[in-house]
Amino acid sequence: KAGVTQTPRYLIKTRGQQVTLSCSPISGHRSVSWYQQTPGQGLQFLFEYFSETQRNKGNFPGRFSGRQFSNSRSEMNVSTLELGDSALYLCASSIQQGRGTEAFFGQGTRLTVV
Amino acid sequence: QQQVKQSPQSLIVQKGGISIINCAYENTAFDYFPWYQQFPGKGPALLIAIRPDVSEKKEGRFTISFNKSAKQFSLHIMDSQPGDSATYFCAASSKANTGNQFYFGTGTSLTVIP
Repeated sequence: KAGVTQTPRYLIKTRGQQVTLSCSPISGHRSVSWYQQTPGQGLQFLFEYFSETQRNKGNFPGRFSGRQFSNSRSEMNVSTLELGDSALYLCASSIQQGRGTEAFFGQGTRLTVV
Repeated sequence: QQQVKQSPQSLIVQKGGISIINCAYENTAFDYFPWYQQFPGKGPALLIAIRPDVSEKKEGRFTISFNKSAKQFSLHIMDSQPGDSATYFCAASSKANTGNQFYFGTGTSLTVIP
């Protein structure tokens, strides 16, 4: 069974640009969450989608947005990139929504903003 | 504020020894506590998880001990091996959430010396 696939693995962008990251969850998983991982802040929750609806949102500015498609694939978009957005962006998929559901992470997209 | 506090930040253990990582939380609504293992360049991998209705869960060399009254839980790695060298994250999720938002500890970098 294929795991969570994130593309691209690496990205280098310039300040002010925008970027779109993609996540394909495990087959049959309908919940997709996004996290930002940095050395200083650790893993921070961005948002979660379930059946194309955003269910939870973390404490990030509106420049961070996402969406989920009918096949459960999800995209995350960051507009007007700042240097501080440089991070590893992780996607996690779960088979269902709800408390205590196992979450499986992809390998992440390493975004570098210069 | 950090909802899940993890210690130590780094840990060095001899091969064959016991590695112990501790986490503490304040939110009594948390009801699912997973541990993740992350190798450099990889996404976090689910290692083991526990719910507050049990005080201990063991899977192979990995054991979670849970103290509900103290709001603490810990990961014990028995017979630690060099291949266990990685960063370990504890996490928690709340039954109050409608989705799968996890709050992560800041991570423990484990080095097992041969």
